[in-house]
Amino acid sequence: GAGVSQTPSNKVTEKGKYVELRCDPISGHTALYWYRQSLGQGPEFLIYFQGTGAADDSGLPNDRFFAVRPEGSVSTLKIQRTERGDSAVYLCASSFSANEQFFGPGTRLTVL
Amino acid sequence: AQSVTQPDIHITVSEGASLELRCNYSYGATPYLFWYVQSPGQGLQLLLKYFSGDTLVQGIKGFEAEFKRSQSSFNLRKPSVHWSDAAEYFCAVGGGATNKLIFGTGTLLAVQP
Repeated sequence: GAGVSQTPSNKVTEKGKYVELRCDPISGHTALYWYRQSLGQGPEFLIYFQGTGAADDSGLPNDRFFAVRPEGSVSTLKIQRTERGDSAVYLCASSFSANEQFFGPGTRLTVL
Repeated sequence: AQSVTQPDIHITVSEGASLELRCNYSYGATPYLFWYVQSPGQGLQLLLKYFSGDTLVQGIKGFEAEFKRSQSSFNLRKPSVHWSDAAEYFCAVGGGATNKLIFGTGTLLAVQP
């Protein structure tokens, strides 16, 4: 079956611009996670959705980052006033139970 | 504080040799433990997981890992490495109500012919 998909696969933007990253989870998965992976590091947790609500957003680095999941399926991670330090691979994962997460291929964000 | 340590940043082994990748964790409650593999340009693929029960767990591609509570370790092993195993390996710990994962910094495995 179809796995987790993320679009775009690559995004290049200029400092100060607004970007949106999309995640399509596996059908039927109620839990959705966003992680950020900087070069040479492991993924770091950003936010967790259970259904439509953000159950844990403790990993969002500041108020420029925001994520939504309005219908409990697709999620969008939004970054305002991008900075060069936001450059990273943004990973999305979904899960049916609270145990095993399935990851998408990621969106590579480059802020010039 | 919750954390995962992978002390080996880079490991090189010969094809056919055995492999052990180290992972130590710090977690306040009963941990769920995972090993993921990431090939260049690919997403993270789950190799194996430990939740409870038998402390030796078997995964895909011939990998296994052993949970040792007394040492707070969850080392990954493979008896005979194949060239296609060259990739980056991440250990992760999760649990609690959200099961958000905390990852180590990864170990990059190179396989010599």
